[in-house]
Amino acid sequence: KAGVTQTPRYLIKTRGQQVTLSCSPISGHRSVSWYQQTPGQGLQFLFEYFSETQRNKGNFPGRFSGRQFSNSRSEMNVSTLELGDSALYLCASSRFSGGEETQYFGPGTRLLVL
Amino acid sequence: AQSVTQLDSQVPVFEEAPVELRCNYSSSVSVYLFWYVQYPNQGLQLLLKYLSGSTLVKGINGFEAEFNKSQTSFHLRKPSVHISDTAEYFCAVSDDSSYKLIFGSGTRLLVRP
Repeated sequence: KAGVTQTPRYLIKTRGQQVTLSCSPISGHRSVSWYQQTPGQGLQFLFEYFSETQRNKGNFPGRFSGRQFSNSRSEMNVSTLELGDSALYLCASSRFSGGEETQYFGPGTRLLVL
Repeated sequence: AQSVTQLDSQVPVFEEAPVELRCNYSSSVSVYLFWYVQYPNQGLQLLLKYLSGSTLVKGINGFEAEFNKSQTSFHLRKPSVHISDTAEYFCAVSDDSSYKLIFGSGTRLLVRP
């Protein structure tokens, strides 16, 4: 079974631009979560989607948004990029939504904002 | 609110020696606990998890962890490490009311020959 895939793997943008990251979950998984990883703040939860509905959102500004499609694929968008948005963005999928569910992570998209 | 503390930012150890990576959590409700490993330039891989039942949990690559409710700890252990275990290890917590993992700051395990 194929794992979680994320595209693109690397991205360079400049301040003020916007970016869209894509995540394809493991086949049959209906929940997708997004995390931001930085050296300073560590791993922080962005949001979680289940059956196209956002179930939970982390403490990030409104510039960060996401959505999930009917095939469970998910995208996250960051508008008006800031230097501090440079990070590794990780997507994780699980069969269902819930604290006990094991989340399987993709390789991440490394975003550099110049 | 939940939180996870990994007190050791880096743990150096010689190959074939035992290792323990410490994790303490704070929560007012029953929790689920996870250990993930991250190799350079990769995502996170699940090592093991505690949902309920036996407090001693065995995972992949010879790792195990023990859930201690009274001490709110979930320390990760391996009796004999290999060079290939060099990586960053993250402890994480979730519960029934959340749909997210709360991660600790990570512990870098450095295995020396």
